[in-house]
Amino acid sequence: AQSVTQPDIHITVSEGASLELRCNYSYGATPYLFWYVQSPGQGLQLLLKYFSGDTLVQGIKGFEAEFKRSQSSFNLRKPSVHWSDAAEYFCAVGARYGNKLVFGAGTILRVKS
Amino acid sequence: NAGVTQTPKFQVLKTGQSMTLQCAQDMNHNSMYWYRQDPGMGLRLIYYSASEGTTDKGEVPNGYNVSRLNKREFSLRLESAAPSQTSVYFCASSEDSFYEQYFGPGTRLTVT
Repeated sequence: AQSVTQPDIHITVSEGASLELRCNYSYGATPYLFWYVQSPGQGLQLLLKYFSGDTLVQGIKGFEAEFKRSQSSFNLRKPSVHWSDAAEYFCAVGARYGNKLVFGAGTILRVKS
Repeated sequence: NAGVTQTPKFQVLKTGQSMTLQCAQDMNHNSMYWYRQDPGMGLRLIYYSASEGTTDKGEVPNGYNVSRLNKREFSLRLESAAPSQTSVYFCASSEDSFYEQYFGPGTRLTVT
């Protein structure tokens, strides 16, 4: 069965600092991987996705993520965080030809000025 | 192009009452989903519909029923609400089962 672990419940970074949010997954075959962001009181917005090919994927809002098969990881990065990036971030894994996404518990990002 | 819409945005129910959450998408997507979100637990799949005319249980289906009314609409019904169903409910849709999902704004439900 698929599972996703986001080890950090909360992360606080200074505005302008770099960011890395961790995501580890468990899945027997090549997964589909996603990062979503949720601002307070809002639905989830897709930041980026990995299906196949280049293991470094670019997303919206300046985010990128790297798929590392050997580490079963799909960490999200941003070189310089803006105050508007404060939100909750969810990693999700899907099965190729499957019907379901499994979500991690989320990481809440706080940005201090 | 509104994407995925959900009604209502907020609802308070008493234990034992019933209600239906409505979801519609205008992206001509085949697959639709209902999730619940609880603090510290991420999103958990309640039911999904891979295509019009089909529905299947997800991870936490007990206490819920769904109807895929047509390609656009997918409703979630609570027949007899319980306090454990207090949650935020999200509807999502995707082009097909294994594509990225697009989410609605959510319904915040409180059962007292």
